[in-house]
Amino acid sequence: RKEVEQDPGPFNVPEGATVAFNCTYSNSASQSFFWYRQDCRKEPKLLMSVYSSGNEDGRFTAQLNRASQYISLLIRDSKLSDSATYLCVVNVAGANNLFFGTGTRLTVIP
Amino acid sequence: DADVTQTPRNRITKTGKRIMLECSQTKGHDRMYWYRQDPGLGLRLIYYSFDVKDINKGEISDGYSVSRQAQAKFSLSLESAIPNQTALYFCATSKQGRGNQPQHFGDGTRLSIL
Repeated sequence: RKEVEQDPGPFNVPEGATVAFNCTYSNSASQSFFWYRQDCRKEPKLLMSVYSSGNEDGRFTAQLNRASQYISLLIRDSKLSDSATYLCVVNVAGANNLFFGTGTRLTVIP
Repeated sequence: DADVTQTPRNRITKTGKRIMLECSQTKGHDRMYWYRQDPGLGLRLIYYSFDVKDINKGEISDGYSVSRQAQAKFSLSLESAIPNQTALYFCATSKQGRGNQPQHFGDGTRLSIL
């Protein structure tokens, strides 16, 4: 079983729409959670960390559900510039590295 | 992000050649990582280092070696390249700290083995 699993999409949404992605992780002792954004043929860039109580950064909201072992990313008022692949990233307790999901592709349509 | 620089950006070479990919950083981070990315497989960790001369195997280290002779530099070598090592390679850095700190990536090296 993969450490991190995401729906690959693609998600095609109109401008202004709200879209949500989920990501499940397999290790219940995981402690650190992040969402990264990756544009085509570019490097992944940190979008936001995910905190236990949930957190918001402008139009982006991240949630953590430890009981069900998933994290989510909500994007409100989608912009064309939000088109990218969103990577879910989780650590594994006792491991010294992060595990990356394969990404969910989002296309925002005019 | 010019704070993490990878060279070369693109490389095409033949099977059996020895190749070195370089990574340098100005972020002052202790930890450095090498990943490869393949379509449908996501990012997979090859090697990582938490300090000078500290080397640790990742998920897919076979066929690769690394060197960390200075805090700012972490190089990846393919001793005898084979076609299934064709991929996009990323170097990343992170701070030392509680839990796992977020990682910061270089621009990537696109490597093709013919």
